Amino acid sequence: GAGVSQTPSNKVTEKGKYVELRCDPISGHTALYWYRQSLGQGPEFLIYFQGTGAADDSGLPNDRFFAVRPEGSVSTLKIQRTERGDSAVYLCASSQGAVDNEQFFGPGTRLTVL
Amino acid sequence: SQKIEQNSEALNIQEGKTATLTCNYTNYSPAYLQWYRQDPGRGPVFLLLIRENEKEKRKERLKVTFDTTLKQSLFHITASQPADSATYLCARVTGRRALTFGSGTRLQVQP
Repeated sequence: GAGVSQTPSNKVTEKGKYVELRCDPISGHTALYWYRQSLGQGPEFLIYFQGTGAADDSGLPNDRFFAVRPEGSVSTLKIQRTERGDSAVYLCASSQGAVDNEQFFGPGTRLTVL
Repeated sequence: SQKIEQNSEALNIQEGKTATLTCNYTNYSPAYLQWYRQDPGRGPVFLLLIRENEKEKRKERLKVTFDTTLKQSLFHITASQPADSATYLCARVTGRRALTFGSGTRLQVQP
């Protein structure tokens, strides 16, 4: 595709439920990032993949959050036992190899936990 | 911890004027800073990168400076237009590749 795509665009769930958020990066981009953004704040880093492996997961807030990228392309962010405080826009970005390359962001998934 | 601070108050300017946005960082100077634009309901879009050893970088009507003494970057939009209205985010790399973003400054250009 032409850009980073994320599905679903909106997700409403109940407290305690499990959710999966999907990211399709730009073809050929080896690096993939997940951020989350609360209203009025900048994106907050969650996890970064280089290829299939998580190179830096220091931003994951707790063990309810987990992400995979099994084939080095599509990634899924998984949140277990959702809490109201998990409500935010979850952004995915991808970039090419060099460390200072710009990151291309998707439109985000707005997660609302009731 | 390494922080990025941006003025959270919205900046309102008249069309045709120069907008100047400020980004301050803490601790050691990053190897580079990036600036992004974000429109409501959309993901950030990359605008410019400036390296630690560069004092200034330009791209069309945009200019970014990097002052390691003041620990500050300034982002300028000359001849501003209503279409420039958006939130502008400053970011530094933290760790291996993660970006730490400021909270952004909302720019409103009045026609």
